[in-house]
Amino acid sequence: DAGVIQSPRHEVTEMGQEVTLRCKPISGHNSLFWYRQTMMRGLELLIYFNNNVPIDDSGMPEDRFSAKMPNASFSTLKIQPSEPRDSAVYFCASITPGGRQYFGPGTRLTVT
Amino acid sequence: KNEVEQSPQNLTAQEGEFITINCSYSVGISALHWLQQHPGGGIVSLFMLSSGKKKHGRLIATINIQEKHSSLHITASHPRDSAVYICAVRSGGAQKLVFGQGTRLTINP
Repeated sequence: DAGVIQSPRHEVTEMGQEVTLRCKPISGHNSLFWYRQTMMRGLELLIYFNNNVPIDDSGMPEDRFSAKMPNASFSTLKIQPSEPRDSAVYFCASITPGGRQYFGPGTRLTVT
Repeated sequence: KNEVEQSPQNLTAQEGEFITINCSYSVGISALHWLQQHPGGGIVSLFMLSSGKKKHGRLIATINIQEKHSSLHITASHPRDSAVYICAVRSGGAQKLVFGQGTRLTINP
């Protein structure tokens, strides 16, 4: 098993541009989480899906952020328009039915 | 006050020392996770526990539900154990985790 796959691994973009982060969870895991990590705030939950349905998006900072999970093997996190304060590492985690979390390698986003 | 507090925030020790990292939480939980994040940035789940004690190699995690406290111990520490260790708790039936601020561990040879 390749584990959780995220792409791109690094993204540098200019303020105002649209950014799309992608995640492929581990097959058979029924929950998927999107996290953001910054030096100031540490790890924060943005949104999570259970069986492809968004359950809790209270961590999504504002309407510029949106996430989708069209099927069990793919999810996207989109930021439109991006701002410099969105610079962070974004992690996707795939969760077993028992609750154990497997993290992807993360996408380091820099918005200039 | 954060729901999950870790101590110490930073810890430097010599190779071979016994290491203890503490985690206290203020909410009722259904499970507690210990995560490890290496300097390269990847995050690995070390333990998920809801009671008692778990051991994996040189790592031991304990939890005291009554005292709302967990510890992560590393025996015979090694420079490759240098990483940030993060405690996270899951409350009730929800899947979401609340994270501590992390403990940065440095083991010197």
